[in-house]
Amino acid sequence: SQTIHQWPATLVQPVGSPLSLECTVEGTSNPNLYWYRQAAGRGLQLLFYSVGIGQISSEVPQNLSASRPQDRQFILSSKKLLLSDSGFYLCAWSVSVRGSEQFFGPGTRLTVL
Amino acid sequence: QKEVEQNSGPLSVPEGAIASLNCTYSDRGSQSFFWYRQYSGKSPELIMSIYSNGDKEDGRFTAQLNKASQYVSLLIRDSQPSDSATYLCAVNPGNTPLVFGKGTRLSVIA
Repeated sequence: SQTIHQWPATLVQPVGSPLSLECTVEGTSNPNLYWYRQAAGRGLQLLFYSVGIGQISSEVPQNLSASRPQDRQFILSSKKLLLSDSGFYLCAWSVSVRGSEQFFGPGTRLTVL
Repeated sequence: QKEVEQNSGPLSVPEGAIASLNCTYSDRGSQSFFWYRQYSGKSPELIMSIYSNGDKEDGRFTAQLNKASQYVSLLIRDSQPSDSATYLCAVNPGNTPLVFGKGTRLSVIA
């Protein structure tokens, strides 16, 4: 069966510090991968998605970036965090972008102070 | 812009009652529809998927789809306090990733 991992589970970072969140998927090949952010009391905001190694689609222009160095690894980064970057970051995977459901990892709760 | 609309709630129902959650979507070409449950502080969990008009039942859950009205609903029968969560409707417009609604918060009162 497929499993999706995210770490760390919680993170507290000062404004202006860098960020690196990692997501890995087990039990499947060539997954489509997604990064979402959910601010407190808000809906899911799609940040990036990837259909393959090195292929990144950005949905929202901001100070975040994503990379996919391996088939089942997806990384979310920032060079300098803003207060507004606080939130619940979720990684998800799907078999395809079109028509299939997404499965979410446990999430990383980021607080920027 | 592709949109998915849900009433934010909270929707409060007594234990044992039927909870009815509704969702409308803007893209008439959408083909896949999903319901997720999200407990406070946790990640969303897929509970139902529906692809064709009509009803789909799974245990206490029934998803209903009406493509002509661009309307999806989720019924929860015999609601339990453990069903208290935020329910997210998600729609796949076809060529792009899922579009999620903002969710409806359900509270089941014992």
